[in-house]
Amino acid sequence: KAGVTQTPRYLIKTRGQQVTLSCSPISGHRSVSWYQQTPGQGLQFLFEYFSETQRNKGNFPGRFSGRQFSNSRSEMNVSTLELGDSALYLCASSLEAGETQYFGPGTRLLVL
Amino acid sequence: QKEVEQDPGPLSVPEGAIVSLNCTYSNSAFQYFMWYRQYSRKGPELLMYTYSSGNKEDGRFTAQVDKSSKYISLFIRDSQPSDSATYLCAMNSGYALNFGKGTSLLVTP
Repeated sequence: KAGVTQTPRYLIKTRGQQVTLSCSPISGHRSVSWYQQTPGQGLQFLFEYFSETQRNKGNFPGRFSGRQFSNSRSEMNVSTLELGDSALYLCASSLEAGETQYFGPGTRLLVL
Repeated sequence: QKEVEQDPGPLSVPEGAIVSLNCTYSNSAFQYFMWYRQYSRKGPELLMYTYSSGNKEDGRFTAQVDKSSKYISLFIRDSQPSDSATYLCAMNSGYALNFGKGTSLLVTP
């Protein structure tokens, strides 16, 4: 079974721009979660989607948003990029929320 | 204070050594405990998953949970250079995983 895939793998943007990241979960997994990983803060939860609904959200500003499609694929969007948004963005999928999460390789975003 | 504390290391050991990695936590609501391994420039890979106090063994890896002390450990026996990575503990009280910051491990030949 194919794992979680994320595109693009690397991205360079400038301050003020917006970015959209994509995640395809493991086949059959309906829950998709997004995390931000930085050297200073480690892995931090952004939000979780299940059946196209955002059910939970971490402590991030409204510039961070996402959505999930009927095939469980998910996108996250960051608007008005700031230098501090430079990070590895990880997507994880699970059968149901609260169950074992499997991570994709991440999208490394650099904001200049 | 973060809910999950983990010593970042780095931890350097010779090949063949037994490695002990630890995390403490403060939230009694955590029910599920995981260890992930993350190689440089890769996503975290699930190593071990437990939900009760006690030990769970899988090959060279043993996960230990002590809920009364709010303390979890991962032991790696006969460590190999390929075990060199960052090890992240994670805990789940519902929908989201709460991660430690990770311990960087280097196993030298």
